[in-house]
Amino acid sequence: DAKTTQPPSMDCAEGRAANLPCNHSTISGNEYVYWYRQIHSQGPQYIIHGLKNNETNEMASLIITEDRKSSTLILPHATLRDTAVYYCIVRGYKLSFGAGTTVTVRA
Amino acid sequence: DAGITQSPRYKITETGRQVTLMCHQTWSHSYMFWYRQDLGHGLRLIYYSAAADITDKGEVPDGYVVSRSKTENFPLTLESATRSQTSVYFCASSDRAGVPDTQYFGPGTRLTVL
Repeated sequence: DAKTTQPPSMDCAEGRAANLPCNHSTISGNEYVYWYRQIHSQGPQYIIHGLKNNETNEMASLIITEDRKSSTLILPHATLRDTAVYYCIVRGYKLSFGAGTTVTVRA
Repeated sequence: DAGITQSPRYKITETGRQVTLMCHQTWSHSYMFWYRQDLGHGLRLIYYSAAADITDKGEVPDGYVVSRSKTENFPLTLESATRSQTSVYFCASSDRAGVPDTQYFGPGTRLTVL
């Protein structure tokens, strides 16, 4: 599975959009981009996934660049409950969690 | 409530004792997984199961035993607990294998081995 690079931490103001970047320059054609998050002391929670096209669901939007070497997770209106560690995962079969980005939403 | 549950949520045991962590899901998902989470290692797959009576090793299976006699249950047993098995254990389930699947995780069991 391709490796991903995420910033270790970022802050976001409540009510604003949070844009979480992820680099995955070695991604191969059949590998999906997944995003999970883990709120403190809870199990990981699925957010969204995509292959080539941009995706949107009730939680977030996923923007994948045309060359698929990077992507951005967008939380449109961050709330305090969105404070968590966010994991960008590129997977063929195995689900491997790296260090992720610690997102802190501030009032 | 529907979903995936784990018990106990917290467990303290002693070195050499056997301990079983329980996982139960109500979605009738075919696939179930056990992970452990340690600082500096992220989540690591211990065992997984594709269906009742079908299990296979993950990345770190040594010291663990699993069984799956019913689709909804996937217990994880530490036959002789060691301090290195102190960790947070997460169970997950999915309705399919490979991508694009979505794994749903339980709340975790925090295990301390003294």
